[in-house]
Amino acid sequence: DTEVTQTPKHLVMGMTNKKSLKCEQHMGHRAMYWYKQKAKKPPELMFVYSYEKLSINESVPSRFSPECPNSSLLNLHLHALQPEDSALYLCASSQETGLRGSPLHFGNGTRLTVT
Amino acid sequence: AQSVSQHNHHVILSEAASLELGCNYSYGGTVNLFWYVQYPGQHLQLLLKYFSGDPLVKGIKGFEAEFIKSKFSFNLRKPSVQWSDTAEYFCAVKNNAGNMLTFGGGTRLMVKP
Repeated sequence: DTEVTQTPKHLVMGMTNKKSLKCEQHMGHRAMYWYKQKAKKPPELMFVYSYEKLSINESVPSRFSPECPNSSLLNLHLHALQPEDSALYLCASSQETGLRGSPLHFGNGTRLTVT
Repeated sequence: AQSVSQHNHHVILSEAASLELGCNYSYGGTVNLFWYVQYPGQHLQLLLKYFSGDPLVKGIKGFEAEFIKSKFSFNLRKPSVQWSDTAEYFCAVKNNAGNMLTFGGGTRLMVKP
């Protein structure tokens, strides 16, 4: 089983709702990531946090707002989403960015449906 | 920017057949290469990785991959597949700064019993 825990597992929300996805890891990793995976497609990077600071934003629309309250937690706040934002949202962590060979550990994901 | 190509989108094999999945990457810097597997309904799991040393790397569940720098390739192999290997396989490359992991398009493997 994965050591990266994501909640909720499933989420259905309307376009006017505000919701949050949560991710937690207790491996002492200092880098955390959000990826988006559409059906039958590879994961696409959204955000990277390194030592609780946002280091990469892959031109993600502002209706997605990440937050890293501490080294173990990563949130993704959602507001005014569109149906095309429906996807599997994956959280991942790694020891550090820049550490050669350091793999990413992925959570099970939150399957989001926007109606 | 780095990119990864996986040429086989769907592969169907019978049990005990040998497997080779192609992966080619495009990146000018020092590469860190990975193969991940995603079983139906499960999270992405690391199969193996390469960042230096012996270009032939062995991973979990009998998988191995060979890094061939001159061909920009990192193909995944397994001598004899099992039904339980049915999954989607992703090749990925990490940039030199180590903060971006880019995935290939994935290969969906089906092993018939």
